[in-house]
Amino acid sequence: DAGVTQSPTHLIKTRGQQVTLRCSPISGHKSVSWYQQVLGQGPQFIFQYYEKEERGRGNFPDRFSARQFPNYSSELNVNALLLGDSALYLCASSFLLAGSRDTQYFGPGTRLTVL
Amino acid sequence: DAKTTQPNSMESNEEEPVHLPCNHSTISGTDYIHWYRQLPSQGPEYVIHGLTSNVNNRMASLAIAEDRKSSTLILHRATLRDAAVYYCILRSNSGGYQKVTFGTGTKLQVIP
Repeated sequence: DAGVTQSPTHLIKTRGQQVTLRCSPISGHKSVSWYQQVLGQGPQFIFQYYEKEERGRGNFPDRFSARQFPNYSSELNVNALLLGDSALYLCASSFLLAGSRDTQYFGPGTRLTVL
Repeated sequence: DAKTTQPNSMESNEEEPVHLPCNHSTISGTDYIHWYRQLPSQGPEYVIHGLTSNVNNRMASLAIAEDRKSSTLILHRATLRDAAVYYCILRSNSGGYQKVTFGTGTKLQVIP
């Protein structure tokens, strides 16, 4: 089975632009989470969605939004890009919400560069 | 919010045990402790998780302090493939709403 897939692999944008990142979970997984990983740092939790509903949000501004579709794929949208948004954006999927003990499977990430 | 603290880096000789510590003194009663590792240019990979009791799986063991304010990931025999950044993570669920806190990670170097 295919793992978590993310597109695009790399992306270059300029300040003020908007960007949409996409994630396809492992088949059968209903939960998708998004993380931001700035170079040299650990990932920071942005959102978790389960059954198309938001089930978790980290400390990110309202410029960040996400949604989950009926096929459980997900999009992360970032408006009014800042230089500081340059990072690796990781998507992770899991089968259930399962409290906090489900195993998350990460994709390879989308590298966003804001100039 | 709960935080985790890890050493920036550690070294180990190949085929020797490695103990990777994590401090989470502000952990709450519902926080699960997860460990993931990340190789260069890859997404993190699950290693192990636990709540209160020590846990073992084919990859590693997790020792959790009695007061849960610290934990230790144990790799029983380090191999070159274990060289990675290891993250200690706290995850909680309150009313169906998730919180996730990643540590800063420990870069493990394995010396042949």
